Amino acid sequence: GAGVSQSPSNKVTEKGKDVELRCDPISGHTALYWYRQRLGQGLEFLIYFQGNSAPDKSGLPSDRFSAERTGESVSTLTIQRTQQEDSAVYLCASSPALGGGGREQYFGPGTRLTVT
Amino acid sequence: SQQGEEDPQALSIQEGENATMNCSYKTSINNLQWYRQNSGRGLVHLILIRSNEREKHSGRLRVTLDTSKKSSSLLITASRAADTASYFCATASSGNTGKLIFGQGTTLQVKP
Repeated sequence: GAGVSQSPSNKVTEKGKDVELRCDPISGHTALYWYRQRLGQGLEFLIYFQGNSAPDKSGLPSDRFSAERTGESVSTLTIQRTQQEDSAVYLCASSPALGGGGREQYFGPGTRLTVT
Repeated sequence: SQQGEEDPQALSIQEGENATMNCSYKTSINNLQWYRQNSGRGLVHLILIRSNEREKHSGRLRVTLDTSKKSSSLLITASRAADTASYFCATASSGNTGKLIFGQGTTLQVKP
């Protein structure tokens, strides 16, 4: 079956512009996560969705970052007024579980964002 | 901030040898997971070990967990060139989010 997909795969933007990153989770997966990975680093948690609600936004680095999910499916991560430090790979993952202590997550290929 | 630390940061071995990677973490956990990442993109789940388990096997992978020391190890036996990748441990804490806290990763190179 289809895995998690993300678009675009690469995005180059100028400092100060807004960007939208899209994630299509595995059909039927209730939980959806966004992570950020800077070059050579581990993944940093950004936000978690349970259905269309986001009970944990604790990882969003600033108010320039926001995310939404609709139809318990597609999610969009928006970064406003991008800064060079936003350059990273943004990874989306989904899981069939409603949290509950955690299960394996299925990752998309990521969007590589470069802010010039 | 990162939950865990992994060592070594980089490991280079010959095909056929075993590779051992270690992970330490700071807070109590519900489970610990290991993921593999090729070419800096999507991660693939390898194995999950729960806090009440001490050892788990999957094919050529063996994972141990010592909750008293807050540490885990991943052993890959009879390594192959295709095992070349970055390996990350990730912890899931008690609670309802299931979010994972990742270590910095170990880069493994297996030379043919």
